[in-house]
Amino acid sequence: GAGVSQSPSNKVTEKGKDVELRCDPISGHTALYWYRQSLGQGLEFLIYFQGNSAPDKSGLPSDRFSAERTGGSVSTLTIQRTQQEDSAVYLCASSSQFPGGNQPQHFGDGTRLSIL
Amino acid sequence: AQSVTQLGSHVSVSEGALVLLRCNYSSSVPPYLFWYVQYPNQGLQLLLKYTSAATLVKGINGFEAEFKKSETSFHLTKPSAHMSDAAEYFCAVTDYGGSQGNLIFGKGTKLSVKP
Repeated sequence: GAGVSQSPSNKVTEKGKDVELRCDPISGHTALYWYRQSLGQGLEFLIYFQGNSAPDKSGLPSDRFSAERTGGSVSTLTIQRTQQEDSAVYLCASSSQFPGGNQPQHFGDGTRLSIL
Repeated sequence: AQSVTQLGSHVSVSEGALVLLRCNYSSSVPPYLFWYVQYPNQGLQLLLKYTSAATLVKGINGFEAEFKKSETSFHLTKPSAHMSDAAEYFCAVTDYGGSQGNLIFGKGTKLSVKP
């Protein structure tokens, strides 16, 4: 597609349920990033994929969070046993260059997650 | 470690007035710096980027930013504000320390434009 696509755009769920957030990056972009945007914390980096590999998962807030990427394309961020503090906008970005390069990251419109 | 500080969480200007949004960075190596804009219920859109080719960078929608190494600043300006410029603006630097190339963002500045 022309840009980064995220789905769903909005998700409301009950505390304790699992959720899956999807990101479809720009075609050909090898690097994929997940960020979380919340009122209290601003924009936080969660995880990075180069191809299908995530070399460092330490940015994930807890072990309830996991992410995968298949075929060097679509990525899924999964939150298990959701808590109210997980409420935030989850943003995905992709880039055509390896880390440290000067190519910008292109962002999707995000998934607004609300935990009741 | 890299960091970004945006001075002023809210800035209000009149339509036609100069826009100045401040950003200071901390980096032990020559940085890659970016300004992004976010409209309500949308993702981040790149305004401009600094990659050491030129200190004055021109971006979209009439915005520009000047990299000043001596001041560790990368302030965003626009000569004449339009109502459509009302949005939140984020300054960001590439994080070299973690070798993942993720962006480190400032806390954002919300720009209001008065008619």
